[in-house]
Amino acid sequence: DGGITQSPKYLFRKEGQNVTLSCEQNLNHDAMYWYRQDPGQGLRLIYYSQIVNDFQKGDIAEGYSVSREKKESFPLTVTSAQKNPTAFYLCASSTQGWVNQPQHFGDGTRLSIL
Amino acid sequence: RKEVEQDPGPFNVPEGATVAFNCTYSNSASQSFFWYRQDCRKEPKLLMSVYSSGNEDGRFTAQLNRASQYISLLIRDSKLSDSATYLCVVNMGRLDTGFQKLVFGTGTRLLVSP
Repeated sequence: DGGITQSPKYLFRKEGQNVTLSCEQNLNHDAMYWYRQDPGQGLRLIYYSQIVNDFQKGDIAEGYSVSREKKESFPLTVTSAQKNPTAFYLCASSTQGWVNQPQHFGDGTRLSIL
Repeated sequence: RKEVEQDPGPFNVPEGATVAFNCTYSNSASQSFFWYRQDCRKEPKLLMSVYSSGNEDGRFTAQLNRASQYISLLIRDSKLSDSATYLCVVNMGRLDTGFQKLVFGTGTRLLVSP
């Protein structure tokens, strides 16, 4: 089955620790995205990548880093510089070319501080 | 002013009722529009794209009014399984870059009761 797989489903971060969230897709999509969702708020864009080896900051990139070494994979690292990391993190992908191309989401990772 | 605004609800309706959600967006140059459905603690799932001429998918009808920068979703014959949060999503990306910047509303919560 084609889809987007995020892991782990739940993650706990200690003070000063970096953690990495995995996102893998087998949809052959060129573009991938990372969002953060806080209670009562809309999704906010952290980073996006339109092609392999290229990525751009979204609206709230501070305290996060990404890589895009393979088309299928777009991991997100939440660094210790992100002071409020507790949120629901969602990875999405879409075909390149943007008019009327929806994004499809993985089932998310919930990150909490220990 | 928020880029995408929705009434948060909740809308409480009995089974079989017709319910309508509205959404306004700020960027008149926006090119594409979507409704997503999000169940509690789950990822958003595409419900339907919204086309200029309006479109229907079974019990769901979406309308777009570009002049008023307004999108609507109508659900007829509500089912218990329609209970969810409905997200209005507007693509505010740039045509020249091909970048798809989806801006999400905070969602409207629907509760369908027996």
